[in-house]
Amino acid sequence: KAGVTQTPRYLIKTRGQQVTLSCSPISGHRSVSWYQQTPGQGLQFLFEYFSETQRNKGNFPGRFSGRQFSNSRSEMNVSTLELGDSALYLCASSGPVKTDTQYFGPGTRLTVL
Amino acid sequence: GIQVEQSPPDLILQEGANSTLRCNFSDSVNNLQWFHQNPWGQLINLFYIPSGTKQNGRLSATTVATERYSLLYISSSQTTDSGVYFCAVTNAGNMLTFGGGTRLMVKP
Repeated sequence: KAGVTQTPRYLIKTRGQQVTLSCSPISGHRSVSWYQQTPGQGLQFLFEYFSETQRNKGNFPGRFSGRQFSNSRSEMNVSTLELGDSALYLCASSGPVKTDTQYFGPGTRLTVL
Repeated sequence: GIQVEQSPPDLILQEGANSTLRCNFSDSVNNLQWFHQNPWGQLINLFYIPSGTKQNGRLSATTVATERYSLLYISSSQTTDSGVYFCAVTNAGNMLTFGGGTRLMVKP
């Protein structure tokens, strides 16, 4: 079975721009979660989508948003980028059970200049 | 929210040595996972272990849920074991809370 895939793997943007990251879960998985990793704050939960609905949301400003499509693929968007948004963004997928093993993708490394 | 603390923060070992990494959490959990983050940033699943003991080759893990801690054992360490080890827990769906990690360096 193919693992979680994320595109693009690397991205460079400037302040004020917006960015869209994509995540394709493991086949059959309906839950997709997003995490941000920075040296200062560590790994933090952004949001989770299940069957096209946001099920949980972390403590991030409204500039961070996401969505999930009917094929379970998910996108996250960050608008009005700030320098502090530079981070590794990780996506995880999990199976149908509400609390289940999460499998992570390789991440998208975003640099904001 | 739930707090997760990992110790030690840094660990340097000689190849062949054994080690124990600890994860303490502040509340009851219904999911606990151990991950190894490779040099490219990907989190590799090691164990899903909300309670009990599991073994996979040279790695094993034990979670004592009633006392709110988990241990990851690495035996006969190899240089390829180097990296950062994370413990993550949740008591609410799939919203994982991560510890700060243990950075392991195994010297040849």
